[in-house]
Amino acid sequence: DQQVKQNSPSLSVQEGRISILNCDYTNSMFDYFLWYKKYPAEGPTFLISISSIKDKNEDGRFTVFLNKSAKHLSLHIVPSQPGDSAVYFCAASSSPGKLIFGQGTTLQVKP
Amino acid sequence: EPEVTQTPSHQVTQMGQEVILRCVPISNHLYFYWYRQILGQKVEFLVSFYNNEISEKSEIFDDQFSVERPDGSNFTLKIRSTKLEDSAMYFCASSEEAGGNQPQHFGDGTRLSIL
Repeated sequence: DQQVKQNSPSLSVQEGRISILNCDYTNSMFDYFLWYKKYPAEGPTFLISISSIKDKNEDGRFTVFLNKSAKHLSLHIVPSQPGDSAVYFCAASSSPGKLIFGQGTTLQVKP
Repeated sequence: EPEVTQTPSHQVTQMGQEVILRCVPISNHLYFYWYRQILGQKVEFLVSFYNNEISEKSEIFDDQFSVERPDGSNFTLKIRSTKLEDSAMYFCASSEEAGGNQPQHFGDGTRLSIL
């Protein structure tokens, strides 16, 4: 199932700089997109979501951008902090309740 | 902050045995889910459950799997006759409503190891 793809398995940024995590999708019927963060030995934690009718949603240091024509979304974290180091999953929703996840991107924020 | 709790954190079972994974969703949530993540692979949807019925299930969720809400607080996933390929991390999740605008809240998972 390749409907949601995160092509970068890892990303390393310096503390205080911007982290940009990318996600591509193929199904134009997705109505919501969500980002989750996951620490080792814990479950995914919801970060931020965006409706398919919007192109931007912001919550504190986290902003998600959606480009429907390109079927692409990105999560911006600014400024990045060492505590942001985790695996980030992009997920999409088409039918109510079913989330389709990407493979995840491991973010490392260096002090 | 309310959270989803899962027990046990690690379950080791012989192939062919039945296993029950337990979850306590957030108390005011009405929609419940199971996902799994095989080591090195994506998190995959298994099943959604609402009003004591399965709402949707994936191809993975075959006749060997079942879910139940035996009382007002627990939500369980049963695998009747486990196979080696059932070894994975199993995550329970819950949400207030089913729409994509209602984020699902996940537990910390049960690591299932089939020997």
